[in-house]
Amino acid sequence: ETGVTQSPTHLIKTRGQQVTLRCSSQSGHNTVSWYQQALGQGPQFIFQYYREEENGRGNFPPRFSGLQFPNYSSELNVNALELDDSALYLCASSLAEESQNIQYFGAGTRLSVL
Amino acid sequence: AQRVTQPEKLLSVFKGAPVELKCNYSYSGSPELFWYVQYSRQRLQLLLRHISRESIKGFTADLNKGETSFHLKKPFAQEEDSAMYYCALSAYGAQKLVFGQGTRLTINP
Repeated sequence: ETGVTQSPTHLIKTRGQQVTLRCSSQSGHNTVSWYQQALGQGPQFIFQYYREEENGRGNFPPRFSGLQFPNYSSELNVNALELDDSALYLCASSLAEESQNIQYFGAGTRLSVL
Repeated sequence: AQRVTQPEKLLSVFKGAPVELKCNYSYSGSPELFWYVQYSRQRLQLLLRHISRESIKGFTADLNKGETSFHLKKPFAQEEDSAMYYCALSAYGAQKLVFGQGTRLTINP
């Protein structure tokens, strides 16, 4: 059983650029959630994907968008990067049909916007 | 709105002493409560959840709906318990987690 993997581990971008972060879900999981963790804060829910459809969204602007692929891997895209987008981005996978709601987290991608 | 509050950003106790990490939540429905832990250089991982009523690594947490709390407790702290602890809430049936800001626990020898 493979765990959640995220790529890249670190990324540096400049303001106004666009970025794509990737996540491979744990084997057998069909749901992927993305979180933003600013320095000194807890993770904040961005959105969730289930069977390739967005299934819930947090308080993030439309320039944050995502995709889920048939193999349940996922991408997080951020357009028009702002300095405040600098954070650790976490991906978590889970199995929607499991009532226990246990999410398994990746190691994260640290994004720095200059 | 759902909200989780962890009032202590930092908590330091001596080895062998009891530990209590506080968590209060705000949610009008039936919540699912979790404690996640992040050890140094490791990823965020589930420690325990209220619905299972289990003890993991000597830690327990009881959901108190009257006080809207889910405090994490351990009677005798060990040095390997030093980590970042996050309390999280999920609305029943949903898979979105709402996290507190976390408490950094340091166990002194």
